[in-house]
Amino acid sequence: GDSVTQMEGPVTLSEEAFLTINCTYTATGYPSLFWYVQYPGEGLQLLLKATKADDKGSNKGFEATYRKETTSFHLEKGSVQVSDSAVYFCALSPGAWAQKLVFGQGTRLTINP
Amino acid sequence: NAGVTQTPKFQVLKTGQSMTLQCAQDMNHNSMYWYRQDPGMGLRLIYYSASEGTTDKGEVPNGYNVSRLNKREFSLRLESAAPSQTSVYFCASSDRLAGGPNTGELFFGEGSRLTVL
Repeated sequence: GDSVTQMEGPVTLSEEAFLTINCTYTATGYPSLFWYVQYPGEGLQLLLKATKADDKGSNKGFEATYRKETTSFHLEKGSVQVSDSAVYFCALSPGAWAQKLVFGQGTRLTINP
Repeated sequence: NAGVTQTPKFQVLKTGQSMTLQCAQDMNHNSMYWYRQDPGMGLRLIYYSASEGTTDKGEVPNGYNVSRLNKREFSLRLESAAPSQTSVYFCASSDRLAGGPNTGELFFGEGSRLTVL
């Protein structure tokens, strides 16, 4: 079945460091891909998405590119801030008409000042 | 703008007790979902409701029942709680999925932390 695998956490970085969180997926067909973020004590919220191969999603300085050849959707940010500390979830939607998201296990990110 | 509201936020139960988690959304969304979040396992779908009047099983439905009371409300019931159901439960909703392209954006509540002793 469809699945999402994220890099193991937790990840701890210093402020202004470069961030990469790896995400790979397994799916039949042509899924849409997403990154969700969960700040402490809150529910998840959509960070960015890409709906077809080679699309780049971006938001709040974060970027991720849908790579069909490597089945990957890695999250990157050039200079992280303390306020980026959160848990990040990669997810896929199996197809344009499907309604259910499949989530990765989440990666906890801590940014130290 | 409330979005998705879940109650209660915290609950402690004894094994065998029953309870209902309530969820309401004010965004006029067609679809609603219940997920559970466990350490190291991400979010797993328990049940979902594509539209008012329909419900379907997700990945981990055993031990749960749901009711789509109306377009706004979607409740999750544990009939006989077990320690394995200790988790954080999230309700979510999404827009315009039945019969149309999946936007993929779920709107989540703040979660309900359930402990079963």
